[in-house]
Amino acid sequence: DQQVKQNSPSLSVQEGRISILNCDYTNSMFDYFLWYKKYPAEGPTFLISISSIKDKNEDGRFTVFLNKSAKHLSLHIVPSQPGDSAVYFCAASEMYSGGGADGLTFGKGTHLIIQP
Amino acid sequence: EAQVTQNPRYLITVTGKKLTVTCSQNMNHEYMSWYRQDPGLGLRQIYYSMNVEVTDKGDVPEGYKVSRKEKRNFPLILESPSPNQTSLYFCASSSSRGAEQYFGAGTRLSVL
Repeated sequence: DQQVKQNSPSLSVQEGRISILNCDYTNSMFDYFLWYKKYPAEGPTFLISISSIKDKNEDGRFTVFLNKSAKHLSLHIVPSQPGDSAVYFCAASEMYSGGGADGLTFGKGTHLIIQP
Repeated sequence: EAQVTQNPRYLITVTGKKLTVTCSQNMNHEYMSWYRQDPGLGLRQIYYSMNVEVTDKGDVPEGYKVSRKEKRNFPLILESPSPNQTSLYFCASSSSRGAEQYFGAGTRLSVL
């Protein structure tokens, strides 16, 4: 049973436009959500996170939105740049509730391609 | 520099030949974890450890062993590798179990 779902395996966006990556989750105990970015031949790197008490967190060109009632989060990248081409993983945990000893639960990833 | 170091980066072996992939972190993190990444399947957790001498199975533990004798090291052991363990492996660590994890650069393993 997949608790974190990224339904788009790939997404192509023109340079300079907005990229929107989506993620859905089923476990209502998740209270901390993260996005990771992964280039080929490298490990995933932490990008941005949001706790369940917030509905938005912004860091430069990256903004994560959380809709708890819909169990949905999204990552917005504005403006998109060629260096943003990578695989993006959504992850979730029960960080504040004290559960989830196994740490982070990851989605399968979305391959973002920024077209020049 | 804070980092998670895995070795080797690339490994080709044959079925049944025991191997160990090492992982070390210099951030004094309590939580460490191993993942494998396969096409279309994303990151799947193999084993995790919440502290020294405390390890537990993740989603895909079959065919793997781990140990946590020191806080900084968390080796992944394949006692008798099989071709279905050909994959890209990542070690990760974090300050607590639900917090952001820091990943190593990965180990690409091929079992012939």
